[in-house]
Amino acid sequence: EEQLVESGGGLVQPGGSLRLSCAASEFSLSDYNMNWVRQAPGQGLEWVSFFSASSGTIKYADSVKGRFTISRDNAKNSLYLQLNSLRAEDTAVYYCARLKMGAFEMWGQGTVVTVSS
Amino acid sequence: DIQLTQSPSSLSASVGDRVTITCRASRSINNNLHWYQQKPGNAPKLLMYAASTLQSGVPSRFSGSGSGTDFTLTISSLQSEDFATYYCQQSYSGPLYTFGQGTKLEI
Repeated sequence: EEQLVESGGGLVQPGGSLRLSCAASEFSLSDYNMNWVRQAPGQGLEWVSFFSASSGTIKYADSVKGRFTISRDNAKNSLYLQLNSLRAEDTAVYYCARLKMGAFEMWGQGTVVTVSS
Repeated sequence: DIQLTQSPSSLSASVGDRVTITCRASRSINNNLHWYQQKPGNAPKLLMYAASTLQSGVPSRFSGSGSGTDFTLTISSLQSEDFATYYCQQSYSGPLYTFGQGTKLEI
């Protein structure tokens, strides 16, 4: 069964860093445009970052630009999100999501990031 | 940036009711509009893509319509498992995507 599994979340102090991972099973990440989407506690969904299948295009939401970095390791069939200079408002569940025809057709279960002192 | 406004923000309904949720875009997005269902503690689930195409495995009581700036998601006869939060999302400005603020459907 095709699936996405995120890991790497945790509690971090403001200004700290964290690296999130998203491992894909039964399909190749390099065949799809992949994304990170987050959801703050009790809030709606916010798109965070995009990584194209061809690796030619990377995009970020303005709220994370310059602080977060998306990457992919084809050998490990994994997607990553490096979170630096973390702020309280970055506290959220972070999902990786596979894109097809502009829609997020597959989601992982999410990993929780809490930024607090 | 393209903004999406959903209405209502919350909705009370009963099993068997017909329910309609609206999503309005700040400018024309053609049919680049998708709908998701999210239950507490779970990841969102894609229901409808390209405004009116049902995702595989989604019950036919769900339908979508619209083009341009105004879109609707309709549930023809509510079932108990449909009580959840629903989000719209646009891909017209992809890969810069935006979501609506959500509509919570309650009993």
